[in-house]
Amino acid sequence: GAGVSQSPRYKVAKRGQDVALRCDPISGHVSLFWYQQALGQGPEFLTYFQNEAQLDKSGLPSDRFFAERPEGSVSTLKIQRTQQEDSAVYLCASRRTGFNEKLFFGSGTQLSVL
Amino acid sequence: GQQVMQIPQYQHVQEGEDFTTYCNSSTTLSNIQWYKQRPGGHPVFLIQLVKSGEVKKQKRLTFQFGEAKKNSSLHITATQTTDVGTYFCAGPSGGSNYKLTFGKGTLLTVNP
Repeated sequence: GAGVSQSPRYKVAKRGQDVALRCDPISGHVSLFWYQQALGQGPEFLTYFQNEAQLDKSGLPSDRFFAERPEGSVSTLKIQRTQQEDSAVYLCASRRTGFNEKLFFGSGTQLSVL
Repeated sequence: GQQVMQIPQYQHVQEGEDFTTYCNSSTTLSNIQWYKQRPGGHPVFLIQLVKSGEVKKQKRLTFQFGEAKKNSSLHITATQTTDVGTYFCAGPSGGSNYKLTFGKGTLLTVNP
């Protein structure tokens, strides 16, 4: 597709459930980011991939959060044993190269943990 | 760590009035980017500034990068209802040339 695609658009989970969020970046884009955006806040960095390599996961809030991009294209963000504080919009963004270029964001996945 | 602060947090204007949002970094930035997020939407890139003192214009929008490369501003002349949204600045984080740190944004609402 022409843009960054994320699915599902909305996800409701019961506390304790595992969830998987998918991101399909723009074809050929080397860099892929996951951001978390709470209501009324700016996007907060979670993790960064350059091709299939996860070069930075310093923003992941806990070891319940795990991200992968095994073939350097589609990425999955997995959250285990979800908690209410995980409720947020999860944004995926991609970039053509590794450095100092604009990010293209997907529409995000709104996660609500009940 | 590096922080990017934006003020004001909210701004409500009458259509036709001007609007300015300011962005300040605790460290010198190699570049700064601005994004717009419409209500219910996702951030969309507006512009990147790289040079000290740089000024760029996009129709009614004027972007500036400070001489010390630690602050930036976005000015909208004669706002329209289509300008409604949250404006974010973002800069490379902590010496990294790949990670962007976003400010909390300025939410602009326009009364028609």
